[in-house]
Amino acid sequence: GENVEQHPSTLSVQEGDSAVIKCTYSDSASNYFPWYKQELGKGPQLIIDIRSNVGEKKDQRIAVTLNKTAKHFSLHITETQPEDSAVYFCAATSINTNAGKSTFGDGTTLTVKP
Amino acid sequence: DTGVSQNPRHKITKRGQNVTFRCDPISEHNRLYWYRQTLGQGPEFLTYFQNEAQLEKSRLLSDRFSAERPKGSFSTLEIQRTEQGDSAMYLCASSSQGGYTEAFFGQGTRLTVV
Repeated sequence: GENVEQHPSTLSVQEGDSAVIKCTYSDSASNYFPWYKQELGKGPQLIIDIRSNVGEKKDQRIAVTLNKTAKHFSLHITETQPEDSAVYFCAATSINTNAGKSTFGDGTTLTVKP
Repeated sequence: DTGVSQNPRHKITKRGQNVTFRCDPISEHNRLYWYRQTLGQGPEFLTYFQNEAQLEKSRLLSDRFSAERPKGSFSTLEIQRTEQGDSAMYLCASSSQGGYTEAFFGQGTRLTVV
């Protein structure tokens, strides 16, 4: 089955700095890569996603890159703000074979210091 | 629509008791997923429904676990003879069918087995 590794497990940055979270996946059949933000006591919320036919996607301060050959994908947050503090999860999904079931990384706890 | 709703939010039970959780998905979504999340880890897939049909079950779902989705609407997850290792957050997600579709998560049910 699919295996997703996520690094780092914790990340602390100063407000205004950038944050980068990296993930690798093992199953070449994975073709959809969502990123979720989870705040304390809440369920994961999708913040950005990327399909396997796209190398990069950007939405305001958030961007995601995908390297299919290396099976790497990364989340970039620029101009971080204290409200960005949360746990972030990457996930890999094969929409063709697994009907949207996602395999998640173990999360990155991001702390943005004011 | 207010999103995916899960009840109860918290459940404390004694070892050996049975518990049942409910998930109400977004009304037009025909796919429904159950995940389990333990502290410091990402969500792990348990089972998946398309309409009322349970199409996939993880090996994590032992015979003490059963899930139903009568009439393709709400879903229930029952755990019989609970064990301390069942303590976790149980997350429900729903999505519409086909293609690259976002999965929306509920806020989860936190189960504590004492």
